[in-house]
Amino acid sequence: NAGVTQTPKFRVLKTGQSMTLLCAQDMNHEYMYWYRQDPGMGLRLIHYSVGEGTTAKGEVPDGYNVSRLKKQNFLLGLESAAPSQTSVYFCASTNGASEAFFGQGTRLTVV
Amino acid sequence: RKEVEQDPGPFNVPEGATVAFNCTYSNSASQSFFWYRQDCRKEPKLLMSVYSSGNEDGRFTAQLNRASQYISLLIRDSKLSDSATYLCAAFNQGGKLIFGQGTELSVKP
Repeated sequence: NAGVTQTPKFRVLKTGQSMTLLCAQDMNHEYMYWYRQDPGMGLRLIHYSVGEGTTAKGEVPDGYNVSRLKKQNFLLGLESAAPSQTSVYFCASTNGASEAFFGQGTRLTVV
Repeated sequence: RKEVEQDPGPFNVPEGATVAFNCTYSNSASQSFFWYRQDCRKEPKLLMSVYSSGNEDGRFTAQLNRASQYISLLIRDSKLSDSATYLCAAFNQGGKLIFGQGTELSVKP
């Protein structure tokens, strides 16, 4: 049972570099989410998707882009990384008003 | 102001204590509510869903008050293993799933 898989698990970027985080789910869920977690801030929603080909902004979307070309994948892109984007990133998926399943997280450091 | 707010704590309680967490939400279109547990910055996992009639699962009781727009979690007879961060979440009809800041609980011997 893979569930939700995030890659990579760790990454160090230099300021200005770009990268893409991949989230893959094998539960045929419609809804997918990207969050960032910083100390004392809980999970803050970056972007989300309610179905293949759709995306929407969350609470803290600036500096990030997303794509949902396939139902099972949700990509999070950082075009020009900044130290303020140092965080732990979590992806989640759900079928709607039911349990959301999370990936194991990606620890990103921008130096 | 966050759509979902909760007291970040920390709550430090002795074993056997009863502890209550509250969470408020501002979006009246929110339709489903949840409590998640997170250990040591691992991924959050569902503790329980919250229903209008209230629901109980062993030592845990969740309540929803739609009129006042808050949800609560009561933990009775706290165990050392209950030490974790508890996150409330609200799902609205637009598909947005918003979490609160998380409340840290530390249960001491």
